[in-house]
Amino acid sequence: QSALTQPPSASGSPGQSVTISCAGTSSAVRGYSYVSWYQQHPGKAPKLMIYEVNKRPSGVPDRFSGSKSGNTASLTVSGLQAEDEADYYCSSYAGSHNLLFGGGTKLTVL
Amino acid sequence: QVQLVQSGSELKNPGASVKVSCKASGYIFTTYAVTWVRQAPGQGLEWMGWVNTDTGNPTYAQGFTGRFVFSLDTSVSTAYLQINNLKAEDTAVYYCARAFSPDQWLDFDYWGQGTLVTVSS
Repeated sequence: QSALTQPPSASGSPGQSVTISCAGTSSAVRGYSYVSWYQQHPGKAPKLMIYEVNKRPSGVPDRFSGSKSGNTASLTVSGLQAEDEADYYCSSYAGSHNLLFGGGTKLTVL
Repeated sequence: QVQLVQSGSELKNPGASVKVSCKASGYIFTTYAVTWVRQAPGQGLEWMGWVNTDTGNPTYAQGFTGRFVFSLDTSVSTAYLQINNLKAEDTAVYYCARAFSPDQWLDFDYWGQGTLVTVSS
């Protein structure tokens, strides 16, 4: 199955908000409430930022929020900080014991 | 504290096999599923599948059947990824990760540090 579709890049200035989209297939994203977002800094392992569309694990700042509408999920980072500069990946359950990742979005803090 | 520690980098010839280990600590190993994720150089994350650490039952993603084998040794809280008949396109960093909660396998909160497997003659 094809990966979920994310924009390759996004950017914003410190203090601003930025939203990253994740477009799914007919089953992935739209059909399930199992959308997650991961942050990955260069050379590091991914970090879980959002799970089940809009839930934050303990320790993740509330500047990070998730949502879903139809077949598109979104990650919003408010009050951008320099340390938010990283790659972000969405993932979604796609049915039939299958999980998909998005292609990733490089977030640049200007 | 929860930790997943993976084995070190590997350099292999095409056609060889490699076995990557992922040793868990800080929790009851058989309570949480383990997943494997591949990241080719400069590329995105690719889900390879997951293993039920209670039953040992593996589930493989499309594109990871046949040459890829997930296994466990619960006596030492370790998961393994074996790749047989290595190809150049298998060159990547391989991550293991733990499921976020005991009752599902869809998101992952603790990750290993990654193991770089390089396939080259």
